[in-house]
Amino acid sequence: DAGVIQSPRHEVTEMGQEVTLRCKPISGHNSLFWYRQTMMRGLELLIYFNNNVPIDDSGMPEDRFSAKMPNASFSTLKIQPSEPRDSAVYFCASSFGASGADTQYFGPGTRLTVL
Amino acid sequence: QKEVEQNSGPLSVPEGAIASLNCTYSDRGSQSFFWYRQYSGKSPELIMSIYSNGDKEDGRFTAQLNKASQYVSLLIRDSQPSDSATYLCALLPGGSEKLVFGKGTKLTVNP
Repeated sequence: DAGVIQSPRHEVTEMGQEVTLRCKPISGHNSLFWYRQTMMRGLELLIYFNNNVPIDDSGMPEDRFSAKMPNASFSTLKIQPSEPRDSAVYFCASSFGASGADTQYFGPGTRLTVL
Repeated sequence: QKEVEQNSGPLSVPEGAIASLNCTYSDRGSQSFFWYRQYSGKSPELIMSIYSNGDKEDGRFTAQLNKASQYVSLLIRDSQPSDSATYLCALLPGGSEKLVFGKGTKLTVNP
């Protein structure tokens, strides 16, 4: 199994630009999670999907952030417009079940730098 | 008030010693607790889960949960340099399916 796949691995952009992060969950997994990790705030859940449906997006910091999961094998997290404070490592994770207690498998992350 | 508190460390122990990592939490309704290990520059990886008061052992790792005192700990016996990483405590608050993570404790095991 290839594990959770994220792209790009690194992204450097300028303030105001649109950023799109991509994730392919483990095949057969029903839940997908987007996290953001910073030194100041630690690892925070932004949004999670179950069976491609967004269940809870209360962690999305503001309207500049949006996420979609058009099918079971692909999800995107978009930031438009990006700001320097969005600089962080963004992780995608997937799990087999719908419970938060199910083991979540994390992708390698995308390191985003907004100048 | 932060939901999950961990000492950021760094915690430094010699090879072969017992490393003790601690975590306190604020939500008494929390039922499920997890320890993740994160190597520098890598993604978190689940190493232990615990749901009931007491100890749960898995190899060199022991998770301990005390719901009355609202703390959970991770003991690593016979620590190895390969255990050097940041350990994240996580839990599910009562009635929630969203994991909440502490900021992690950085552990260094010195050869």
